[in-house]
Amino acid sequence: GQQLNQSPQSMFIQEGEDVSMNCTSSSIFNTWLWYKQDPGEGPVLLIALYKAGELTSNGRLTAQFGITRKDSFLNISASIPSDVGIYFCAGQWVQGAQKLVFGQGTRLTINP
Amino acid sequence: GAGVSQSPSNKVTEKGKDVELRCDPISGHTALYWYRQRLGQGLEFLIYFQGNSAPDKSGLPSDRFSAERTGESVSTLTIQRTQQEDSAVYLCASSPTSAGGEQFFGPGTRLTVL
Repeated sequence: GQQLNQSPQSMFIQEGEDVSMNCTSSSIFNTWLWYKQDPGEGPVLLIALYKAGELTSNGRLTAQFGITRKDSFLNISASIPSDVGIYFCAGQWVQGAQKLVFGQGTRLTINP
Repeated sequence: GAGVSQSPSNKVTEKGKDVELRCDPISGHTALYWYRQRLGQGLEFLIYFQGNSAPDKSGLPSDRFSAERTGESVSTLTIQRTQQEDSAVYLCASSPTSAGGEQFFGPGTRLTVL
């Protein structure tokens, strides 16, 4: 199935550092979402973006919906150990309906 | 309140056998989705149910895969004549309506086909 291009695939950082990851698509989306998945769990929604150009924060997390509707980024500031996990971007074709198309994930590892 | 639950959490089966996976969505959620996640990969959409509308089956990979939903309640995903490439985590999600992308995921069923 179709997937978004998410990068980087993995990150190894020191606690306290900032993190940035992004997703790009050849197609337009109306909604961009960022999820975090811990081992053995389902993804948990972090941030949802509904308008091109929108910049939204959730605590130490900030995400933006690209103006072209074909990309999004997620920043995490001042990383802490519980930020470890896999982060997925997801795009939705039409606002309010149907399937999500997922990126392949960014695995975040934090060195103590 | 209870989240999305799935059972079993793990299933090991032999090639050629049929398996049935169950999803209990959050009470009151009208939309229900099934996704497949292969090891180290993102999620792939399989099927979507919304109320009494005909399901969107566009993501089902073959006719060995089928799913049913009872009203706005439980859903079962059935895989017939399982193959080794069916090994994956199968995730179910529900959302309050079809509006917005806020899907709430269950913990998944890890399927291993020997």
